[in-house]
Amino acid sequence: AQSVTQPDIHITVSEGASLELRCNYSYGATPYLFWYVQSPGQGLQLLLKYFSGDTLVQGIKGFEAEFKRSQSSFNLRKPSVHWSDAAEYFCAVLPITYAGGTSYGKLTFGQGTILTVHP
Amino acid sequence: DTEVTQTPKHLVMGMTNKKSLKCEQHMGHRAMYWYKQKAKKPPELMFVYSYEKLSINESVPSRFSPECPNSSLLNLHLHALQPEDSALYLCASSQPREGSNEKLFFGSGTQLSVL
Repeated sequence: AQSVTQPDIHITVSEGASLELRCNYSYGATPYLFWYVQSPGQGLQLLLKYFSGDTLVQGIKGFEAEFKRSQSSFNLRKPSVHWSDAAEYFCAVLPITYAGGTSYGKLTFGQGTILTVHP
Repeated sequence: DTEVTQTPKHLVMGMTNKKSLKCEQHMGHRAMYWYKQKAKKPPELMFVYSYEKLSINESVPSRFSPECPNSSLLNLHLHALQPEDSALYLCASSQPREGSNEKLFFGSGTQLSVL
């Protein structure tokens, strides 16, 4: 079964500093990979996704992520953090289904990383 | 319209009550989902409906009863819940495709408290 590990439970950065949130996955092949953001008591908003192709993926709000097959990682980055980026970030994987099936959104989420931004 | 709308936003119920959570989308998506998210935990899949038929039930207790009356609506009927069922219930939708999967659009959730 696939699994996702986000090693950092809580990260604090200063506004304007760079950010990297780590994500490692365990799966027999390359799954579909996602990063979601969630503000307190709210739903999840998709930041970016990786299906195939270019391993550097651009997302919304200035975020990007790099897929590294050799490290089974999909780390999220942002060059300059804004106070409005404070939220919880979830990495998620979705198994790729072959033979005409679909995986029907059976996402497996990591435990999440809470981002605090200091002024 | 790229929204998934969930009502109510907040719900407090007793253990003997019967209530329903509602979810609506008008994006033409034919897959709809219920996820449960406990405090400080990631979301966990409960149910998946594909083309208005229940496709996945992740061994959810029978006190949770999903219903998909049409392609735009998804309900979650609640009966005889326990305090440990208190959580944020998230609805999502996507357009399923053979051999792949589109991104999920999530609603803002219903924050449920069971007393």
